[in-house]
Amino acid sequence: KAGVTQTPRYLIKTRGQQVTLSCSPISGHRSVSWYQQTPGQGLQFLFEYFSETQRNKGNFPGRFSGRQFSNSRSEMNVSTLELGDSALYLCASSPGTGANVLTFGAGSRLTVL
Amino acid sequence: GIQVEQSPPDLILQEGANSTLRCNFSDSVNNLQWFHQNPWGQLINLFYIPSGTKQNGRLSATTVATERYSLLYISSSQTTDSGVYFCAVDPFMDSNYQLIWGAGTKLIIKP
Repeated sequence: KAGVTQTPRYLIKTRGQQVTLSCSPISGHRSVSWYQQTPGQGLQFLFEYFSETQRNKGNFPGRFSGRQFSNSRSEMNVSTLELGDSALYLCASSPGTGANVLTFGAGSRLTVL
Repeated sequence: GIQVEQSPPDLILQEGANSTLRCNFSDSVNNLQWFHQNPWGQLINLFYIPSGTKQNGRLSATTVATERYSLLYISSSQTTDSGVYFCAVDPFMDSNYQLIWGAGTKLIIKP
């Protein structure tokens, strides 16, 4: 079956703009998690959605938001972009119940100029 | 909250060598996963291993839950094994369903 699909793969924005990233999970998976990874850093948890509800949230400012649709696809949005938002944004899907086994997408690499 | 520590932080080996990566965690966990992030950023789930030993080709993992550690073994290393290896745990008493991640071990395999 198809894996986790993230779009776009690469994008360049300027400070002050906003960006929307998309994630389509594995068919049947109801949970989508988002992570930010900056160069040389580990994974920083942004938020997790399960059945269209935000179930968990990391320690990020309100400029970072997300949502999940009824087909489990998820989007995350970053408003008023800052240089420090340049990062690899990773999405992972899991069944959402039972074993919390994550499958990651290839990521969206955002550069803010 | 639970702490997850990985060692060593960096490891450089020649092709063909064997390696052992370690993940220590400070409290009981429901499960533990090992991931490999390749140089292009793709994260691959290697093992879901709350306890015991699993093997997949040249890779194997052992988790000793009672002693709060897990080991990832890589035998006969290849250059494609290069990248960062992360372990992530699901805390036993935390119902938030959020994994706690280690900082990773960066592995470089030289040809």
